[in-house]
Amino acid sequence: GQNIDQPTEMTATEGAIVQINCTYQTSGFNGLFWYQQHAGEAPTFLSYNVLDGLEEKGRFSSFLSRSKGYSYLLLKELQMKDSASYLCARGGTDSWGKLQFGAGTQVVVTP
Amino acid sequence: EAQVTQNPRYLITVTGKKLTVTCSQNMNHEYMSWYRQDPGLGLRQIYYSMNVEVTDKGDVPEGYKVSRKEKRNFPLILESPSPNQTSLYFCASSLGTPSTYGYTFGSGTRLTVV
Repeated sequence: GQNIDQPTEMTATEGAIVQINCTYQTSGFNGLFWYQQHAGEAPTFLSYNVLDGLEEKGRFSSFLSRSKGYSYLLLKELQMKDSASYLCARGGTDSWGKLQFGAGTQVVVTP
Repeated sequence: EAQVTQNPRYLITVTGKKLTVTCSQNMNHEYMSWYRQDPGLGLRQIYYSMNVEVTDKGDVPEGYKVSRKEKRNFPLILESPSPNQTSLYFCASSLGTPSTYGYTFGSGTRLTVV
């Protein structure tokens, strides 16, 4: 399979920065997604990276290194509402309909 | 409003009693998919469909069936549910190839099999 690894949980204080790392298998790679999921709700799209480098979108940025099979999601100026699970997902060329997810990183923002 | 709608939101059933979870999207999306989500395991893909009458297995298809007779609908069928199918289920759809466009998810169906 295409093991997708990310930390289980991270804790940070309001206003701080948190970086969530994700590693994945590079063979047949076609793109890397980040989703946010609040407890009991549907995952919602945050970002997509297919080329190396940093994509910035307001307080959230996502980075990709294809050669290293590595991505990170950077959350700046943390707010209480950012407490959620962040899911890394890999698209592959082996099957265009498949999008495989990591187990998610629970981010806890404390006052 | 563009959305993926799945029903019911909550379902408790008994082992062996056939059930169907419905899913509908109003975005004219080609691709649709079903995932289940379990603590510590994340989202795992059950089945996906590339168009009407075209479906394929995901990573955990055992015990499930799907059909795609119309573009907008993609029901998930459990012919003989078992307790290990207790889970949170999400239906999703995609404008194009999901590995490039990603999926838009429905609100989820929490299924308990006793």
